[in-house]
Amino acid sequence: DTGVSQDPRHKITKRGQNVTFRCDPISEHNRLYWYRQTLGQGPEFLTYFQNEAQLEKSRLLSDRFSAERPKGSFSTLEIQRTEQGDSAMYLCASSLNKYQETQYFGPGTRLLVL
Amino acid sequence: AQSVTQLGSHVSVSEGALVLLRCNYSSSVPPYLFWYVQYPNQGLQLLLKYTTGATLVKGINGFEAEFKKSETSFHLTKPSAHMSDAAEYFCAVSEGNAGGTSYGKLTFGQGTILTVHP
Repeated sequence: DTGVSQDPRHKITKRGQNVTFRCDPISEHNRLYWYRQTLGQGPEFLTYFQNEAQLEKSRLLSDRFSAERPKGSFSTLEIQRTEQGDSAMYLCASSLNKYQETQYFGPGTRLLVL
Repeated sequence: AQSVTQLGSHVSVSEGALVLLRCNYSSSVPPYLFWYVQYPNQGLQLLLKYTTGATLVKGINGFEAEFKKSETSFHLTKPSAHMSDAAEYFCAVSEGNAGGTSYGKLTFGQGTILTVHP
């Protein structure tokens, strides 16, 4: 069990650029979640997948954000035309779709938009 | 809709003293409740969780929490603080359902930073 991994760990970009983050869940976990955490706040839910199906999206996920999980394994989160307000830690978590599920979190990708 | 309120954004204790971090939740259905810990520049690590059954839940590193439905609370305690407990702690709620698989997303409180003094 290698845990949830995220890449990159840090990203600095200029306003207006596109960025893409990757999340690799724990093997055999069929649920995958994305959260965003800003300084001094708790994580906020963005979206989640069960296998390759995106089942729920938060209103926080504007049309500049898109997430995919094409083969039900890893997932990508893309932000187009980044804004300074997108600066945050982006966390990925995975879980088994079973009774009393627990979400296991990755180390996060810290994004800074200049 | 569900929500979580953590009372006190900062808590400071002396090493060896009792740790008490407060969490109140709001949920329209039976909740699943969690405490996570976050060390600087790291992801979240699960300390403990309540789903059903025994209302006193024991977790890692000597922490425990008690689910009190009448008070809608899930406070986290540890009898004796250690320097290594210094971190940020998050309470979270996920709505349970009849199938027992929950609705997935976690709603977090704003976090409590625990400082431990020697």
